[in-house]
Amino acid sequence: EVQLVESGGDLVQPGRSLRLSCAASGFTFDDYGMHWVRQAPGKGLEWVSGLSWNSGRIDYADSVKGRFTISRDNAKNALYLQMNSLRPEDTALYYCAKEGHPWSSNSWIDYWGQGILVTVSS
Amino acid sequence: DIQMTQSPSSLSASVGDRVTITCRASQGISNYLAWYQQKPGKAPKLLIYVASTLRSGVPSRFSGSGSKTDFTLTINSLQPEDVATYYCQKYNGAPFTFGPGTKVDIK
Repeated sequence: EVQLVESGGDLVQPGRSLRLSCAASGFTFDDYGMHWVRQAPGKGLEWVSGLSWNSGRIDYADSVKGRFTISRDNAKNALYLQMNSLRPEDTALYYCAKEGHPWSSNSWIDYWGQGILVTVSS
Repeated sequence: DIQMTQSPSSLSASVGDRVTITCRASQGISNYLAWYQQKPGKAPKLLIYVASTLRSGVPSRFSGSGSKTDFTLTINSLQPEDVATYYCQKYNGAPFTFGPGTKVDIK
């Protein structure tokens, strides 16, 4: 059974940093690209960042480019999101998500974690 | 960047009705289109990928069609458990943009 478990969410002040983690299990982690998707309270889904199975492709939404860094540790079956210079508009539920097609550059998402809340407020 | 739009933004239909949701891309995306269902307080779930391929285990009343810029999600015979918000997403390259969502409830 595929499981994606996010951690690291917190209440932080604007301008501070936070690192999210996602522990993956139930599939061959290093065969699949991974993504972070967020959802602000009462709003729709916003794609944040994604990286390929081998980290050869790394992409960011314009809204986080230069502030957020996505990475993975295939030995630990873990995905990370380093978030710097946080803003109130980054307040959201952050989902870790797995691609559906292995070794792909362009794939749908087939599994989602339950999400972790990040609140940016003074 | 390619923009994704959905219509309607919300709809109310009766149990047993056929429901159609439209997703439009501002440029052609071939068939790199997925549909997700999100129930209140829950994570999204994949329904359809490659525009028309039904994910295993998803009820057959759900179907997808379309290519290039215009796509449709159809729910044949709406059921109470289908109350949710539905999102389309392009995945032909970054940014992997979602549509704004269509909220479906029961009349």
